[in-house]
This record gives sequence, C-alpha cells and structure tokens, in this order.
Amino acid sequence: KAGVTQTPRYLIKTRGQQVTLSCSPISGHRSVSWYQQTPGQGLQFLFEYFSETQRNKGNFPGRFSGRQFSNSRSEMNVSTLELGDSALYLCASSVMGGARGNEQFFGPGTRLTVL
Amino acid sequence: DQQVKQNSPSLSVQEGRISILNCDYTNSMFDYFLWYKKYPAEGPTFLISISSIKDKNEDGRFTVFLNKSAKHLSLHIVPSQPGDSAVYFCAASATDAGGTSYGKLTFGQGTILTVHP
Repeated sequence: KAGVTQTPRYLIKTRGQQVTLSCSPISGHRSVSWYQQTPGQGLQFLFEYFSETQRNKGNFPGRFSGRQFSNSRSEMNVSTLELGDSALYLCASSVMGGARGNEQFFGPGTRLTVL
Repeated sequence: DQQVKQNSPSLSVQEGRISILNCDYTNSMFDYFLWYKKYPAEGPTFLISISSIKDKNEDGRFTVFLNKSAKHLSLHIVPSQPGDSAVYFCAASATDAGGTSYGKLTFGQGTILTVHP
C-alpha cells in the first residue's frame, strides 16, 4: 500500500497570507488527523476528520481550519499567517481514528516557513 | 500541562547493547500507548503499541513495558543498531464516550537515541 502523502513538502509565505496544505491518506483509512510540530511545543494535535466530519479539535485558534473530501483526502488551511505558524505540519491516517489498535500512520509533513 | 513526559532528552548506547527509553504520563484516561521513531525531515514512523490491559508487548527487537500503577512505560531495543539512531516519541490516546479522544494522540517531547558502532 502507498503511504500517507502530503503536498507541498515545503512552503514559504509572508505574514498575513493564507495557506492550504493537502494530505492523501492510506487507501482504506477514513480518519485523518493533523498535527503541528515546533521545537518549543513538540507535536500538537490540531484536528481530526472522519467521513467528511470534524470529530475532534485541539487548542488552536480559528485561523486553523480543515476539511475532508468523500475520498478521505484532507486539506488544512491557515489564514492570516503569523510568524509563530512556522512549523512542520504532519498529517496522519488511521482506519477508524479511535484508540485500541487504530495506529496512526504519518506522512512526511509540510515544512511551512512564515517570513 | 504536559500529560506525557519523556524526561531524558537524549540517550547514547553502544551497538549491540540494550536501549531503554522511558515515558511517564499523568492522565488516568489514557488507555493506549504507542512509540514512534522519527528521522529528520520525515514523519514519525509507528514502531509498537500497547493497550492498558497488557503489561508487555514484543515485536522483534522492540519490547514495550507498561506499569499502570506507576503511569510509566518503557521501550526496550535489543540489540541496538546504528540505524536505530533517531528521535523516539511516546504517545498516548484515551477512549472516552464523549468523543474528545477521536484521532488525537498526545505526544511526549521525544528522546534522541544515538547508537554508536
């Protein structure tokens, strides 16, 4: 099976702009989670989508949003970019998104730099 | 509030010896634990997991031990190989009726493992 893919791999934006990141999960996986990784905060959960519905959300401002399509592919959007949004954004997919055996498999990430 | 803690930022081990990576958690609702390995510029790679109903799980060179009373888990790698050099993350998830755990893993800060030839 092909793994989780994320595009683009690298992105440079300026403050105030918006950005859209894309994630294609492993075939058959219906749950997609997004994480932000920064040196100071580590890996932080952003949100999770399942069957085109957001089921869970982490403690991030409303500038961070996402969606999922009928083929389970997901996008996340960050509006009005701030310098602190510079991070590695990771997407992970799992079969159902719950605990107990639903291991998450991660993509390579998108490195976002905000200037 | 850091609910999953990896208190050792780094660990250095000789090739062929055992590597022991430790992880502590504070949230009693966590009932599933995972270890991931991460190389620079790549996403985390799933290694091994354990449910709270077990105290040990083995997969090849990797064994995870869970001590629920101490809220502590550890990953043993035997024998360690230079290719094991990476950042290791401990992660936890909770099953709850409210759905606030869906798709959410809580990660520790990671431990950098270096295996010397």
